[in-house]
Amino acid sequence: KAGVTQTPRYLIKTRGQQVTLSCSPISGHRSVSWYQQTPGQGLQFLFEYFSETQRNKGNFPGRFSGRQFSNSRSEMNVSTLELGDSALYLCASSPSRDRVGSPLHFGNGTRLTVT
Amino acid sequence: GENVEQHPSTLSVQEGDSAVIKCTYSDSASNYFPWYKQELGKGPQLIIDIRSNVGEKKDQRIAVTLNKTAKHFSLHITETQPEDSAVYFCAARSRAGSQGNLIFGKGTKLSVKP
Repeated sequence: KAGVTQTPRYLIKTRGQQVTLSCSPISGHRSVSWYQQTPGQGLQFLFEYFSETQRNKGNFPGRFSGRQFSNSRSEMNVSTLELGDSALYLCASSPSRDRVGSPLHFGNGTRLTVT
Repeated sequence: GENVEQHPSTLSVQEGDSAVIKCTYSDSASNYFPWYKQELGKGPQLIIDIRSNVGEKKDQRIAVTLNKTAKHFSLHITETQPEDSAVYFCAARSRAGSQGNLIFGKGTKLSVKP
């Protein structure tokens, strides 16, 4: 079974631009979550989607948004990029969201650099 | 909200020795505690997890223990090997249904010296 696939692996953008990152979950997984990873803050939860609906949202500004398609693939968008948005963005999928202990499986991330 | 503290931030051991990483959590309602291993250039990989109704779980050289009263849980790696070198993260989930909302510790960089 293929794992979680994230594209692109690397992105370089300038301040003020916007960016879209893509995530394909493991086949059959309907829950997709996004995390931001930085050396200073560690792994921070951005949002979670299930059945094309946002179910949870972390403490990030409205410049960060996402969506999920009917095939469970997800995209996240960051508008008006700031230098502090430079990070590794990780997508994780899970087979369900109602069962405690349903594990999260991460992709290898998209490394975003804002200059 | 939930807060997870992880110690130590770095750990260096000789090959064959044991390694122990400890985490504490703040929300007594937390009921799921996974551990992830992250190698350079890769995403975190789930290595073991435990639910709040279990005190200990083992998988070959890896074990996790949970003390609900003290609100702490630990990862034990025995007979460490160089390929165990990586960053390890503990995490806690406090609400059933909030699958994505894992709260992570800051990570422990484990170095295993041959």
